[in-house]
Amino acid sequence: KNEVEQSPQNLTAQEGEFITINCSYSVGISALHWLQQHPGGGIVSLFMLSSGKKKHGRLIATINIQEKHSSLHITASHPRDSAVYICAVPNFGNEKLTFGTGTRLTIIP
Amino acid sequence: EPEVTQTPSHQVTQMGQEVILRCVPISNHLYFYWYRQILGQKVEFLVSFYNNEISEKSEIFDDQFSVERPDGSNFTLKIRSTKLEDSAMYFCASSVIQNTDTQYFGPGTRLTVL
Repeated sequence: KNEVEQSPQNLTAQEGEFITINCSYSVGISALHWLQQHPGGGIVSLFMLSSGKKKHGRLIATINIQEKHSSLHITASHPRDSAVYICAVPNFGNEKLTFGTGTRLTIIP
Repeated sequence: EPEVTQTPSHQVTQMGQEVILRCVPISNHLYFYWYRQILGQKVEFLVSFYNNEISEKSEIFDDQFSVERPDGSNFTLKIRSTKLEDSAMYFCASSVIQNTDTQYFGPGTRLTVL
């Protein structure tokens, strides 16, 4: 079973700051998912990546397969970015996703 | 933009009752999933479904749970005899291909078992 660790658990920052959220996992994977859970509970898929880097707007996700580590960055953070950010990885060879406990991000105006 | 829908948004039931949670996945998607999130805890995988059968299930998905695709659009999760500990948010998701593809999540059904 893949173990997923996220850090930090909670992060409070001022509007405009550069944000980094980290995710480490224990077993080699084919792809890693970054998800955003809104305060109301809804979940949105942000990225699915298997190597290198992906960018979408102010969000950037990177993954280092050898080190079993991924980071999610937010540039020019805004209060609307306040949410829980979750990484999830599949167990190798099957479809079962294992989720991290999430990082609760609060951006203060 | 196509989206996954779930009904009801909130279900309250008595312990021991059967509940059916409904999901309509995105129409051209082939893989369907149910996840559970107990309040304050992390999201947990329950089951994946492809080609009209379960392809993977977790240890949580015991004999009290079942899934079905009764027609071409709905995907349901049935809990036969609810327990207090089944109270959680249940999310449905779908993807075009399996876990190496983006999954699209529904808004969730909050199940409260009294």
